[in-house]
Amino acid sequence: GAGVSQTPSNKVTEKGKYVELRCDPISGHTALYWYRQSLGQGPEFLIYFQGTGAADDSGLPNDRFFAVRPEGSVSTLKIQRTERGDSAVYLCASSLSPPAEQFFGPGTRLTVL
Amino acid sequence: AQKITQTQPGMFVQEKEAVTLDCTYDTSDPSYGLFWYKQPSSGEMIFLIYQGSYDQQNATEGRYSLNFQKARKSANLVISASQLGDSAMYFCAMREVVTSGTYKYIFGTGTRLKVLA
Repeated sequence: GAGVSQTPSNKVTEKGKYVELRCDPISGHTALYWYRQSLGQGPEFLIYFQGTGAADDSGLPNDRFFAVRPEGSVSTLKIQRTERGDSAVYLCASSLSPPAEQFFGPGTRLTVL
Repeated sequence: AQKITQTQPGMFVQEKEAVTLDCTYDTSDPSYGLFWYKQPSSGEMIFLIYQGSYDQQNATEGRYSLNFQKARKSANLVISASQLGDSAMYFCAMREVVTSGTYKYIFGTGTRLKVLA
């Protein structure tokens, strides 16, 4: 079956712009996670959805970051007023339900100029 | 304090040899899980192996085994018979309970493994 997909694979934007990153999890997976990975670092937790609701959003760095999962499947990570420090690879993962292992998508590489 | 510590930023191993990648963790949660992931240069995170805190036996998956020493809070990954395709970044991760029914996954900084022909 299809794995986790993320679009776009690459996004280049200018400082101050708004971006949306999309994650399509494995069908039937109720848990969905967003991570941010900077160069040379491990993935950093951002937010976790169980179904439609955000079960834990403690990793979102500030109020410029927001994520939704309105129908319990596809999720969108939204970043307002992007800053150069937001440049990173944004990874999405899904699992059947915690505490099962996560399956990761290929990531979106965000570059803020 | 670091929850997951990987002290080896880089490792080399000769093809067909075994290699151990170190991971130590810190948690007060009695029910936790430990994972290893491989990240090749393509960027995708690939799940390798899982060990639950209550598992009595060390986890094994093909050429991968997890040397789980609970009292020492270590969960080292052993790769036997290394292959050139094993060259990648390896991340240790821990799952902790946040509240009942919710979990958080914390990753280490990774170890870059290079297999030499």
